[in-house]
Amino acid sequence: EIVLTQSPGILSLSPGERAILSCRASQSVGSNSLAWYQQKPGQAPSLLIFGASSRASGIPDRFSGSGSGTDFTLTISRLEPEDFAMYYCQQYGTPPTHTFGQGTKLELK
Amino acid sequence: EVRLVESGGGLIQPGGSLRLSCAASGFLFSSYNMNWVRQAPGKGLEWVAYISGDSDTQYYADSVRGRFSISRDNGKKSLYLQMSSLRAEDTAIYYCARTWLLGGIDYWGQGALVTVSS
Repeated sequence: EIVLTQSPGILSLSPGERAILSCRASQSVGSNSLAWYQQKPGQAPSLLIFGASSRASGIPDRFSGSGSGTDFTLTISRLEPEDFAMYYCQQYGTPPTHTFGQGTKLELK
Repeated sequence: EVRLVESGGGLIQPGGSLRLSCAASGFLFSSYNMNWVRQAPGKGLEWVAYISGDSDTQYYADSVRGRFSISRDNGKKSLYLQMSSLRAEDTAIYYCARTWLLGGIDYWGQGALVTVSS
C-alpha cells in the first residue's frame, strides 16, 4: 500500500506570497496518477490538479502541479485570500487503494 | 448539473450496521467509477472504497475491508455502502464521490454523518 506524506503540516504565508506544498509517496505512483484537492471548512473537497500536473476545469493558473515517481509539488504562485485552506494529495494509480495524504493547512500569517 | 446526494447516516451503536445510499443525477452514472471517502471530525480525508462502473472491481481501505461493502445499481443511478461491525473510529462524514475519467475525484456529495456511539 502506498503511503503519502505531505509537508509541511502547516504553512503560514501572506497574500501575494508563493506557496510550495510537498507530497511524497512511499513507492512510485503509477502513471503519475496523483491529484491535489482544496478543502475549506464545512465544504467538500474540490479537485485542483490531476495527473500530477493538469489543472482541473475552472482552476486558476496560479495553481500548478509538478513531480513524478515519488515526489510531487503543488505550487500556488501568488496567494489570494481565498486560497487559505486545507490541501490534500491523493494517489489513484496503484490499486487496491486510492490513499490521501494527511493534508497541509495553508494559513494566513 | 451533476448532483450526488447521500442519505442513511445517523447514530448507531458499536457493533451495529448501517447502509448509506447516494443518489446520482446529471450524468451517465454507469460510465463512471465511484468512491466513498470519509472524514472524521477535525481530521483529514480517508478513502474508504471504490467500485468500477460495471461493478466488476471493488477496492477497500484496510481499515474497513471485511466489514464494509460497496455496491451500485446503475438502473437506479445509486451507490451504496453497507457498513457492519461498526466501531467508534468509523464516526465520520461519509462522502459519495465520482472518479473523473482522467483521474482524481471531480464531484463530491454534501456528505452523510455517521456517529457510532453507545
